[in-house]
Amino acid sequence: KAGVTQTPRYLIKTRGQQVTLSCSPISGHRSVSWYQQTPGQGLQFLFEYFSETQRNKGNFPGRFSGRQFSNSRSEMNVSTLELGDSALYLCASSLAVEGRMVFGSGTRLTVV
Amino acid sequence: DAKTTQPTSMDCAEGRAANLPCNHSTISGNEYVYWYRQIHSQGPQYIIHGLKNNETNEMASLIITEDRKSSTLILPHATLRDTAVYYCIVRGFKGGTASKLTFGTGTRLQVTL
Repeated sequence: KAGVTQTPRYLIKTRGQQVTLSCSPISGHRSVSWYQQTPGQGLQFLFEYFSETQRNKGNFPGRFSGRQFSNSRSEMNVSTLELGDSALYLCASSLAVEGRMVFGSGTRLTVV
Repeated sequence: DAKTTQPTSMDCAEGRAANLPCNHSTISGNEYVYWYRQIHSQGPQYIIHGLKNNETNEMASLIITEDRKSSTLILPHATLRDTAVYYCIVRGFKGGTASKLTFGTGTRLQVTL
């Protein structure tokens, strides 16, 4: 059974650019959530989707956005990148919002 | 959401039981206790969760106090591969909607020979 797949694994972007990260959940999982992990702030919740609807949102500026498609795949977008956006971005999927989550290996974003 | 408090770090000898405590004194009736762990910079791995009763699975046991204000994760026979950061999380469900999952700073468990 394939796990949660995040692409790309590594990414280097320049300040001011935008970036789109992709997450393919485990087959059958309908809930997808996103987290940002940095050494200083730890794991922080970004947003959570279930059946294409955003269910929860963390305390991040509007530059961070996401969406979920009908096949449960999800993307997150960060516009006008800042140096502080450099982080490991993790995606997790579960059967339902209340289910146990399975995390992907993450996308490591470096903003220069 | 209820906040959790965990020790910053703990050591455990290989083969011994690792007991990781978590305080969640403001937990409410509809909130579950979840445990995840993260090895290096991999994605967190689900370990176990519970509401009121003690739970056991192939990885660990979860002991929740009767007043639900604290819990302990037990790894019965710790190995070097259990060295990781362990997160205790409280998550509530109301009307079919779950609260957002909030990770604290976790406990860094170091298993030694």
